[in-house]
Amino acid sequence: DAGVTQSPTHLIKTRGQQVTLRCSPKSGHDTVSWYQQALGQGPQFIFQYYEEEERQRGNFPDRFSGHQFPNYSSELNVNALLLGDSALYLCASSLVGDRGYIQYFGAGTRLSVL
Amino acid sequence: DQQVKQNSPSLSVQEGRISILNCDYTNSMFDYFLWYKKYPAEGPTFLISISSIKDKNEDGRFTVFLNKSAKHLSLHIVPSQPGDSAVYFCAASASWNTGFQKLVFGTGTRLLVSP
Repeated sequence: DAGVTQSPTHLIKTRGQQVTLRCSPKSGHDTVSWYQQALGQGPQFIFQYYEEEERQRGNFPDRFSGHQFPNYSSELNVNALLLGDSALYLCASSLVGDRGYIQYFGAGTRLSVL
Repeated sequence: DQQVKQNSPSLSVQEGRISILNCDYTNSMFDYFLWYKKYPAEGPTFLISISSIKDKNEDGRFTVFLNKSAKHLSLHIVPSQPGDSAVYFCAASASWNTGFQKLVFGTGTRLLVSP
């Protein structure tokens, strides 16, 4: 049973560019959440998708956008990259009714903005 | 505004002893709490959780205690093993019953268990 998979594992971009990160949820899961983890910090909630709609959003600017596809996979897009966007981006999946909606995380995408 | 705080950045324990990791929160609306463990180059792995209707939950060597009046929870690992060496994150949610959880994480505690 495949867990949460994310691609790519590492990415290097320059300021002002745009980036797309991808996530496939754990088999059977229907909800995908995205988190940003800066160095030395805990993960910070970006947004959450269910039934192809954004259900909740954290305190992130509109440069951060996302999408969920009918197969429950998801993309995170970041426009006009800033140096401060350098971080580990984590995707988590969950299923309503599964052990209190525990979120299962992928290994993340390490984004470096130069 | 750090709503979930882990004030100890690191903890060193000998193998076989008890490890106690602490977490404090400020938002009284939080009603579900989780602990995750993270190894380098891996994503956080779910360890154990507790809802606000309980004050203790146990799973093998791991026990989580919740003190709602003090807005404090702790994770006890007994006995500690070298393989437990990792960063431990405390997380909280105010919406677990709706299915749409927004997890708020602490900054983590690095546990080192020496043989």
